[in-house]
Amino acid sequence: AQTVTQSQPEMSVQEAETVTLSCTYDTSESNYYLFWYKQPPSRQMILVIRQEAYKQQNATENRFSVNFQKAAKSFSLKISDSQLGDTAMYFCAFMKLNYGQNFVFGPGTRLSVLP
Amino acid sequence: NAGVTQTPKFQVLKTGQSMTLQCAQDMNHNSMYWYRQDPGMGLRLIYYSASEGTTDKGEVPNGYNVSRLNKREFSLRLESAAPSQTSVYFCASIGFGYQGTTSNQPQHFGDGTRLSIL
Repeated sequence: AQTVTQSQPEMSVQEAETVTLSCTYDTSESNYYLFWYKQPPSRQMILVIRQEAYKQQNATENRFSVNFQKAAKSFSLKISDSQLGDTAMYFCAFMKLNYGQNFVFGPGTRLSVLP
Repeated sequence: NAGVTQTPKFQVLKTGQSMTLQCAQDMNHNSMYWYRQDPGMGLRLIYYSASEGTTDKGEVPNGYNVSRLNKREFSLRLESAAPSQTSVYFCASIGFGYQGTTSNQPQHFGDGTRLSIL
């Protein structure tokens, strides 16, 4: 079974600074996707960024980028130029490519952006 | 608007009561999921349905039953509610052929149901 670990329950960062959230996972699969989701107080689940395991290039979406280390099974999220609206819970998630396309979520990191 | 619709948004039950959470999606997705979210636990999968007519247990299925009524609808039933089932419940769907889709959202979530069991 796949597991996803986020070792930082809470983090804070000053507005305009850069912060990195950590995620590690355990799997025997070779083809899979990894995701970062953001959950603001509204409780909506919002996709931040995704990474296909077969791609060596790290994904980037505007201020958000990942450091994907497949051998180390590590998938960290870097947020540059942090904004107050980035305050939220962030979940790392794993999806294997087979029957059911099941998702596994990490426990989350609560990020606070301070003015 | 296309998406996943959950009802109700809030519900308070007494221990031992039963209820059904409803979920419907209009994106013609094959797979549907029920998660619960507890503080500090992230989202845990209760049940999922890979396609119409099939259902499978997830990580925390005890105390729940599901029905995949048709391709659109996937309901979650609590037969005898317990305080440990107090949580926020999310329904989600995903379409096969994700790799070939133009959608950037691999899994669509409903807005959640906050359920309290007294």
